[in-house]
Amino acid sequence: KAGVTQTPRYLIKTRGQQVTLSCSPISGHRSVSWYQQTPGQGLQFLFEYFSETQRNKGNFPGRFSGRQFSNSRSEMNVSTLELGDSALYLCASSQQGPYQETQYFGPGTRLLVL
Amino acid sequence: GENVEQHPSTLSVQEGDSAVIKCTYSDSASNYFPWYKQELGKGPQLIIDIRSNVGEKKDQRIAVTLNKTAKHFSLHITETQPEDSAVYFCAASGGGADGLTFGKGTHLIIQP
Repeated sequence: KAGVTQTPRYLIKTRGQQVTLSCSPISGHRSVSWYQQTPGQGLQFLFEYFSETQRNKGNFPGRFSGRQFSNSRSEMNVSTLELGDSALYLCASSQQGPYQETQYFGPGTRLLVL
Repeated sequence: GENVEQHPSTLSVQEGDSAVIKCTYSDSASNYFPWYKQELGKGPQLIIDIRSNVGEKKDQRIAVTLNKTAKHFSLHITETQPEDSAVYFCAASGGGADGLTFGKGTHLIIQP
């Protein structure tokens, strides 16, 4: 089975721009979660989608949004980028959700905001 | 919400020795505790997990113990090898709607 894929792998943007990141889960997985990883804050939960619905959301501002398509692929969008949004964005997939079952992570998209 | 504390932040051991990483959590309702290994340039990879109805789980050189009363769990790696060098994260889940809550990570260095 192919693993979780994320595109693009690297991205450079300037403050004020917006960005869209993509995640393709493992075939058959219906849950996709997004995390932000920074040296200072570590891994932080952004949101989780299941069957095209946002089921849970972490403590991030409304500039961070996402969606999931009928084939379970997911995108996350960050509008009005700030310098502090520079991070590694990881998505993880699982069959039913991040509660009591294995989540499989992709390699991440590294975003640099200048 | 859940809060996970992880110690130490850096651990250096001689090849062949054992390594222990400890985590504590705050939400007594949490019931799933995975450990992830992250190598440079890669996403975290699950190495072992434990559920609240089990006190210990072992997989070859890796073991995890859970003390629900004290709300702490530990990762034990025996006979460490150079390829064990990486950042290790503990996490907790199940007590709320916050996905996985991760510790800040431990940079494990295996000295030859």
